[in-house]
Amino acid sequence: NAGVMQNPRHLVRRRGQEARLRCSPMKGHSHVYWYRQLPEEGLKFMVYLQKENIIDESGMPKERFSAEFPKEGPSILRIQQVVRGDSAAYFCASSPPTGQGFGEQFFGPGTRLTVL
Amino acid sequence: DQQVKQNSPSLSVQEGRISILNCDYTNSMFDYFLWYKKYPAEGPTFLISISSIKDKNEDGRFTVFLNKSAKHLSLHIVPSQPGDSAVYFCAARTNFGNEKLTFGTGTRLTIIP
Repeated sequence: NAGVMQNPRHLVRRRGQEARLRCSPMKGHSHVYWYRQLPEEGLKFMVYLQKENIIDESGMPKERFSAEFPKEGPSILRIQQVVRGDSAAYFCASSPPTGQGFGEQFFGPGTRLTVL
Repeated sequence: DQQVKQNSPSLSVQEGRISILNCDYTNSMFDYFLWYKKYPAEGPTFLISISSIKDKNEDGRFTVFLNKSAKHLSLHIVPSQPGDSAVYFCAARTNFGNEKLTFGTGTRLTIIP
């Protein structure tokens, strides 16, 4: 029973390039969340998605960041024109459909983005 | 605005003793609380949770206590083991459904053999 999968685990980009981070939720989970952890800080919520829908994007920066969770395939967090301040660990979490369990979120291993 | 606070960045405890990690929150709408454990270069691992209708939840060596009037919760680990050395995050949510988690800044626990 595979857990939440994220790839790549490490990503290096130069300023101005695009970063694409992928997340495959646990089997049977239909809710995906993205969080960002800056050095020496806690995790900060970015966006919450269900299949083909963005439910809550209140934590997403207004520009350059976007997320999707298509009907088929993994969820994608996309960062355009990266800047040094985007360097962080990006974690994806998933949870089962509403009504199953208590909504605990299970996290992937993270993608560590370094912007040169 | 830090709605979930872990005021102790680090804690050292002798092996076999009790570890107590504390967490305070300010948002009275939070009604579900979770503790996660995190090793370096890994994702957080869910440990234990508690809803606001309870004041205690126990799972093996881990017990979480909730004091709603004080907006305070604590995680007790007894007995502490070397493998418990990690960063512990407190998180909170506003309802039983699927909602974003608000995390504290973490407490680094070191168990001394």
